[in-house]
Amino acid sequence: GEDVEQSLFLSVREGDSSVINCTYTDSSSTYLYWYKQEPGAGLQLLTYIFSNMDMKQDQRLTVLLNKKDKHLSLRIADTQTGDSAIYFCAELTTLFSGGYNKLIFGAGTRLAVHP
Amino acid sequence: DSGVTQTPKHLITATGQRVTLRCSPRSGDLSVYWYQQSLDQGLQFLIQYYNGEERAKGNILERFSAQQFPDLHSELNLSSLELGDSALYFCASSGPGTSREQYFGPGTRLTVT
Repeated sequence: GEDVEQSLFLSVREGDSSVINCTYTDSSSTYLYWYKQEPGAGLQLLTYIFSNMDMKQDQRLTVLLNKKDKHLSLRIADTQTGDSAIYFCAELTTLFSGGYNKLIFGAGTRLAVHP
Repeated sequence: DSGVTQTPKHLITATGQRVTLRCSPRSGDLSVYWYQQSLDQGLQFLIQYYNGEERAKGNILERFSAQQFPDLHSELNLSSLELGDSALYFCASSGPGTSREQYFGPGTRLTVT
């Protein structure tokens, strides 16, 4: 089946690292994503990782993928107040043999950064 | 700014009515996707179009329909609206040949009263 789970809330102090976790069920997923949604705004693609990779780093963002456990995490270094938002984990899953894909989203993790 | 535009930003209408949401993809993108974001269902894939043709359907109700025009903009039509249709409707687009990177528009917030 298709399911993506993530914890709903995370609170961190400004300057600390944040780690947002996600688990997925579709072992055939080819790509896994992190999107950011600020209040009243759309979804911003932050980063994504191909399923044959273990890690991807992009400035303050580090994505770790444990394919065996189907676990994905997003680490934000030196978290700032501007990082306060909802972070969605998503997997790209194949709909059917035609190869058409869709994104399956988790419920989102609300990150609150306090001074 | 993702380059995907959606209009209107907000829409308030009554039950039983019909509305049309519009989306313009990023320049050069051939695929358009529609998603619904509601409090109880989260983000759900509705439908995908590629270069004017329907490619995939997700959890889209029969009361809803969409199309993609020759200029690649897309419209999502919602009819016989119910209170439960109140949600944020997002459009996303991706480049030719791959849906690896989907870029989302700002969304249309629909309120059904």
